[in-house]
Amino acid sequence: DAGVIQSPRHEVTEMGQEVTLRCKPISGHNSLFWYRQTMMRGLELLIYFNNNVPIDDSGMPEDRFSAKMPNASFSTLKIQPSEPRDSAVYFCASSPDFTNQLFFGEGSRLTVL
Amino acid sequence: AQSVAQPEDQVNVAEGNPLTVKCTYSVSGNPYLFWYVQYPNRGLQFLLKYITGDNLVKGSYGFEAEFNKSQTSFHLKKPSALVSDSALYFCAVRDRTNAGKSTFGDGTTLTVKP
Repeated sequence: DAGVIQSPRHEVTEMGQEVTLRCKPISGHNSLFWYRQTMMRGLELLIYFNNNVPIDDSGMPEDRFSAKMPNASFSTLKIQPSEPRDSAVYFCASSPDFTNQLFFGEGSRLTVL
Repeated sequence: AQSVAQPEDQVNVAEGNPLTVKCTYSVSGNPYLFWYVQYPNRGLQFLLKYITGDNLVKGSYGFEAEFNKSQTSFHLKKPSALVSDSALYFCAVRDRTNAGKSTFGDGTTLTVKP
């Protein structure tokens, strides 16, 4: 299995631009999580889905952030407009069920200038 | 609400010595507890988990952890540390009553010196 696949691995953009991060979970996993990691805040849960349905988006910073999971094999995290404080590493992770661990992708490093 | 606390930002040990990385948790239901490791510029990797059964669980790379329900703790241990164990370690909890939500601690940086 290829594992959780995230793209792009690195993104540099200017303030005000739209950013879309993509994630392909492991086939057969029914949960998908988006996390953000920074030195200041550590690892923050942004949103998670069960069976493609958003369960808890209370960690999404503000309306500039949105996430979708149109099918079991694809999810996006969008930031519009982006700001310098959004600079972070964004991780996607998937899991087959409650008793199992999360399988993380390698992350998307976002830099907003 | 569920939460995880890792009281130490940093743990330093000498190679060959035992190591302990501490974790306490809070959940409303039965806890599912996990340890992950992160190397620089990489995603988190699973080390071990406690779901039910024996309170001492063994995982990858010689790590083990002890579940203590009365103290709500799940400390990570290794009898003899290696320099290559130096990394960032995260404790996490999942809870069925929260639809599988996974909450992580702030992480502990382990440094093993030769």
